[in-house]
Amino acid sequence: QKEVEQDPGPLSVPEGAIVSLNCTYSNSAFQYFMWYRQYSRKGPELLMYTYSSGNKEDGRFTAQVDKSSKYISLFIRDSQPSDSATYLCAMSGNTGGFKTIFGAGTRLFVKA
Amino acid sequence: DAGVTQSPTHLIKTRGQQVTLRCSPKSGHDTVSWYQQALGQGPQFIFQYYEEEERQRGNFPDRFSGHQYPNYSSELNVNALLLGDSALYLCASSLGINQPQHFGDGTRLSIL
Repeated sequence: QKEVEQDPGPLSVPEGAIVSLNCTYSNSAFQYFMWYRQYSRKGPELLMYTYSSGNKEDGRFTAQVDKSSKYISLFIRDSQPSDSATYLCAMSGNTGGFKTIFGAGTRLFVKA
Repeated sequence: DAGVTQSPTHLIKTRGQQVTLRCSPKSGHDTVSWYQQALGQGPQFIFQYYEEEERQRGNFPDRFSGHQYPNYSSELNVNALLLGDSALYLCASSLGINQPQHFGDGTRLSIL
């Protein structure tokens, strides 16, 4: 079993839809949770960074962390074609060193 | 404000050769981490440098080594290249060991 599981998709939605992206994890020591966006031929771009459980909102993006269920989510409101990219979840904590573990990424397509 | 810069952008090598990849961190950052990203996968943590020392290491063989200089820039060296080393190599920098990481656009390494 991988430490971080993420559905690779692809996920295709119409413009303006609400997008829900999710990851599950197995290591309860994870404390820091991140979402990155990666366009083709580019490096990952940090979207959201949260600590422990709870919600965090930034513009059209909302990150949720449920440590009791070992489940994290990213919601994108009013999705735009420019949101089409691969979304990577990542997490770290005192797991015998603060290594950052990434999910495999979900490919998102937003159709105009 | 310059972000993370990596060089070269592309590189082609043959099996058995050695390669050196370079990274300049984002201005003000002092910690550099290296990742390997295979096609369709999330980044895999290789190692992290802080204060010119390797602080964390992922599950990579000793063929992968690195260095950090006093100006915080870093190098990734890979010896005895294998076909399986073909990947996108990403550098990420942060201010401190367990802080949000910002990525460069990577070096695409192809092994023939």
